[in-house]
Amino acid sequence: SAVISQKPSRDICQRGTSLTIQCQVDSQVTMMFWYRQQPGQSLTLIATANQGSEATYESGFVIDKFPISRPNLTFSTLTVSNMSPEDSSIYLCSVVATNEKLFFGSGTQLSVL
Amino acid sequence: GEDVEQSLFLSVREGDSSVINCTYTDSSSTYLYWYKQEPGAGLQLLTYIFSNMDMKQDQRLTVLLNKKDKHLSLRIADTQTGDSAIYFCAEGNDYKLSFGAGTTVTVRA
Repeated sequence: SAVISQKPSRDICQRGTSLTIQCQVDSQVTMMFWYRQQPGQSLTLIATANQGSEATYESGFVIDKFPISRPNLTFSTLTVSNMSPEDSSIYLCSVVATNEKLFFGSGTQLSVL
Repeated sequence: GEDVEQSLFLSVREGDSSVINCTYTDSSSTYLYWYKQEPGAGLQLLTYIFSNMDMKQDQRLTVLLNKKDKHLSLRIADTQTGDSAIYFCAEGNDYKLSFGAGTTVTVRA
């Protein structure tokens, strides 16, 4: 398995501001993803973070709202821009480990007031 | 994404077996997964099964797959208080998974 660290673990933000979430992996991984878990709901894939190129977004998610960086094979960031209360969720980073299974970080719990 | 459905709640007595059921619609999935989420934590990969298998056993966990009915189940033997959590069924290809809504398992003494 891979050890995935996410920062911050939780934050409370004001409407209209932006928050950048960091994901650090203890080994090089080919594939990294960002998921969102809205309160009481399941996980939804936001995008695939591509190393050295623009992220690939799923339907309903756009780069202006959720810009993603992936400068190398161990690190990625997700920014939640111009936040509104509807963005209150848990945001999870996930990676494909060497056993080719998907592992998740502990998540960032975001509350927007 | 594809639909994955689970019952929302399960209450079980400590020491009994728990069975969590899941149905899915995408018959092309290569693997099907069970994840566990404890309060305030991320998702922990519990176990998975390759789509050409019917059963997989891993210590207290038994996964049964009925491809014809697109039905997946997770059995936890000798359920303990530490098994209280939300359990997510997931399926997909190319690592883009579709998750069920999660089954909240409560273990009572």
